[in-house]
Amino acid sequence: KAGVTQTPRYLIKTRGQQVTLSCSPISGHRSVSWYQQTPGQGLQFLFEYFSETQRNKGNFPGRFSGRQFSNSRSEMNVSTLELGDSALYLCASSSGDFLSGNTIYFGEGSWLTVV
Amino acid sequence: AQSVSQHNHHVILSEAASLELGCNYSYGGTVNLFWYVQYPGQHLQLLLKYFSGDPLVKGIKGFEAEFIKSKFSFNLRKPSVQWSDTAEYFCAVGEGGFKTIFGAGTRLFVKA
Repeated sequence: KAGVTQTPRYLIKTRGQQVTLSCSPISGHRSVSWYQQTPGQGLQFLFEYFSETQRNKGNFPGRFSGRQFSNSRSEMNVSTLELGDSALYLCASSSGDFLSGNTIYFGEGSWLTVV
Repeated sequence: AQSVSQHNHHVILSEAASLELGCNYSYGGTVNLFWYVQYPGQHLQLLLKYFSGDPLVKGIKGFEAEFIKSKFSFNLRKPSVQWSDTAEYFCAVGEGGFKTIFGAGTRLFVKA
């Protein structure tokens, strides 16, 4: 079956703008997580959604937000972009069931460059 | 706060050498443990995982990892590395709070 799909793959934005990234999870997966990957910080957890509800979030400012739709697709939004927001944004999907191992599967990511 | 520590940021080995990458975590409750690999230019892929049963788990491409609960460790091993194992390796811990936390990663370079 199809993997996790993220769009757009590459984008360049100007400081102060906002951006919306989209993620389609693996069919049947109800949990979607977002991560920010940078060379210096590794993978930083942004938030996790399950059945349209945010269940957990990381230590990012309120400029970072997300949502999940009834079909499990998810979007994340970053407002008032800063140069430091330049990163690879990864979406991951899973069943959301911790007791069965809850393996998360990653998309290829969206490369965001802020200039 | 929960954290995941990977002991080595960069490792350089010759082909056929043995590999062990250390991983420790700080969460005291029940956890799911993972190793992911990111080959150059590719997305993150699951190498192996542990969530119950035998603490010695085997993954793809000859990798294995051992969960030692008393040491909060989940070290990754491979008896003989190949040039194609050059990649970045991430240890990850999933806890009941609906998030999976990743270590900073270890970049492995295997010399042919």
